[in-house]
Amino acid sequence: AQKVTQAQTEISVVEKEDVTLDCVYETRDTTYYLFWYKQPPSGELVFLIRRNSFDEQNEISGRYSWNFQKSTSSFNFTITASQVVDSAVYFCALSEADYGQNFVFGPGTRLSVLP
Amino acid sequence: ETGVTQTPRHLVMGMTNKKSLKCEQHLGHNAMYWYKQSAKKPLELMFVYNFKEQTENNSVPSRFSPECPNSSHLFLHLHTLQPEDSALYLCASSQDFTNSGNTIYFGEGSWLTVV
Repeated sequence: AQKVTQAQTEISVVEKEDVTLDCVYETRDTTYYLFWYKQPPSGELVFLIRRNSFDEQNEISGRYSWNFQKSTSSFNFTITASQVVDSAVYFCALSEADYGQNFVFGPGTRLSVLP
Repeated sequence: ETGVTQTPRHLVMGMTNKKSLKCEQHLGHNAMYWYKQSAKKPLELMFVYNFKEQTENNSVPSRFSPECPNSSHLFLHLHTLQPEDSALYLCASSQDFTNSGNTIYFGEGSWLTVV
């Protein structure tokens, strides 16, 4: 079975604070892919990152960083020095090799960054 | 300019109306998707077309009728909808549905309200 859990429904931080969004997944497959998307109020889901199950290197892109830990089935996302423009709903998603691109999305975490 | 464009962005329709949502992708992809996003529900995959052939239909009611005339265009025809069908409808595309590692790119969505 596929499952993606984002335990934090809503998070509020003050600008310039660091914030980590959690994502825990379940899969029996050895080959799978994990994604993060950002959904601002306008509605579009904006692709942020893709990671395959064989690459556990952490990644940093500007103020964004991702920590992939297969041992705990987690793929957490950290925003450093948050800004008001980071306010959005963030989705973690999983796709398994046996299911094509039948993504399983987590329920999302709504992040509010206050000025 | 976004690679996936949807029109209209907002639509209000009565339960007896017939309307269509349109999606166009400019990314040279071969797979196109319709997702439904309702309040407090996870993203739901509705339909997938891969190389113009419908490959997924996730038990969607017949009042939703997809059409994919070519790899760049996707329509969702709406007929006798119910108020509970009010949601954000997201179109997306990817290189090929059969490759689970491909990234799915989303449009800005069509906000539908059924009155």
